[in-house]
Amino acid sequence: AQSVSQHNHHVILSEAASLELGCNYSYGGTVNLFWYVQYPGQHLQLLLKYFSGDPLVKGIKGFEAEFIKSKFSFNLRKPSVQWSDTAEYFCAVNAGSARQLTFGSGTQLTVLP
Amino acid sequence: AAGVIQSPRHLIKEKRETATLKCYPIPRHDTVYWYQQGPGQDPQFLISFYEKMQSDKGSIPDRFSAQQFSDYHSELNMSSLELGDSALYFCASSLNPLRDRVFSSYEQYFGPGTRLTVT
Repeated sequence: AQSVSQHNHHVILSEAASLELGCNYSYGGTVNLFWYVQYPGQHLQLLLKYFSGDPLVKGIKGFEAEFIKSKFSFNLRKPSVQWSDTAEYFCAVNAGSARQLTFGSGTQLTVLP
Repeated sequence: AAGVIQSPRHLIKEKRETATLKCYPIPRHDTVYWYQQGPGQDPQFLISFYEKMQSDKGSIPDRFSAQQFSDYHSELNMSSLELGDSALYFCASSLNPLRDRVFSSYEQYFGPGTRLTVT
């Protein structure tokens, strides 16, 4: 079974700082990778996804992520965060024949104005 | 664009009572997934349905059951509720990739969730 690790549980940044959130997965075969954002009291929204092709994917709101197969990683980045980016960020994967998502434990991002 | 609809949005029940949560997928989506997110937890997969048949099963307690109907909406039935069942229950929908061989079919669209509080 696949698993997902997010190493940063809580990240605090000032506005305009750069962001990188780590995500590692364990599965030896083909994977589909996702980053979701959950604003306080709201549902999960898809930020970006990787299925195949260019390992550098761009998502909404200036976010991007890089799939590094050799490191089993799919880190999320944003060059300059805003206060409105304060939210919880979840990395997720589905792999093999399983179509349900396995989520990481989430990273709470707090951006200070 | 139409999104996934869940009802009710909030539900308060007492221990040992039953609850039914409903999910209406995006039109044309034939696959429904249920997830449970406890306080401060990541979403955990419960169960999924494709074309009205159960397709995958996760950490769903035996006290819970679910089904998908002919109009593709799904209901999650929860009985003998316990305090630990208090959580946000998300439904997600997608289009089976075998139907149109589009990669985006692996993408799940989440509903707003039903917040269940068991007292």
